[in-house]
Amino acid sequence: KAGVTQTPRYLIKTRGQQVTLSCSPISGHRSVSWYQQTPGQGLQFLFEYFSETQRNKGNFPGRFSGRQFSNSRSEMNVSTLELGDSALYLCASSLPRGGGYEQYFGPGTRLTVT
Amino acid sequence: GDSVTQMEGPVTLSEEAFLTINCTYTATGYPSLFWYVQYPGEGLQLLLKATKADDKGSNKGFEATYRKETTSFHLEKGSVQVSDSAVYFCALSDSNTNAGKSTFGDGTTLTVKP
Repeated sequence: KAGVTQTPRYLIKTRGQQVTLSCSPISGHRSVSWYQQTPGQGLQFLFEYFSETQRNKGNFPGRFSGRQFSNSRSEMNVSTLELGDSALYLCASSLPRGGGYEQYFGPGTRLTVT
Repeated sequence: GDSVTQMEGPVTLSEEAFLTINCTYTATGYPSLFWYVQYPGEGLQLLLKATKADDKGSNKGFEATYRKETTSFHLEKGSVQVSDSAVYFCALSDSNTNAGKSTFGDGTTLTVKP
């Protein structure tokens, strides 16, 4: 089975711009979660989508948004980029079942804001 | 809210040494516990998991036991190899209240020297 894929792998943007990141989950996985990873804050949860609905949201400003399509692919958007948004953005998919959410991560998108 | 505390790193060991990385957690529900590993330039990979008290997760020589009485999930390996050099994350997921959201520790960087 193909793993979680994320595109693009690297992005360089300027402050004030917006960016869209894409994530394709493992086939059959309906839950997609997004995380921001930075050296200072570690791994922080952004949001989770399940069956095209946002089911959970972390403590990020409204500039961070996402959506999920009927094929479970997900996108996240960051508007009005700030320098502090530079990070590795990780997408994870899972097949929810009893016993906890074992997540499968993509390689990440490295976003640099200048 | 939920939280995970890992021992501070970095950890440097010689090949064949014994490894312990401590992890304790705070959770309002009854979480599942995970260890993930991240190699340079990659996303996180699930290393092992445990879903209920006294469960032992194991994989590739690594082990961790879910200790509810001490709220701990320490990672151990009897003999580390150079190829085990990576960043290790302890995480929890409470499927009852925060579906699709994992809470991570800060990560522990392990370097194994030949």
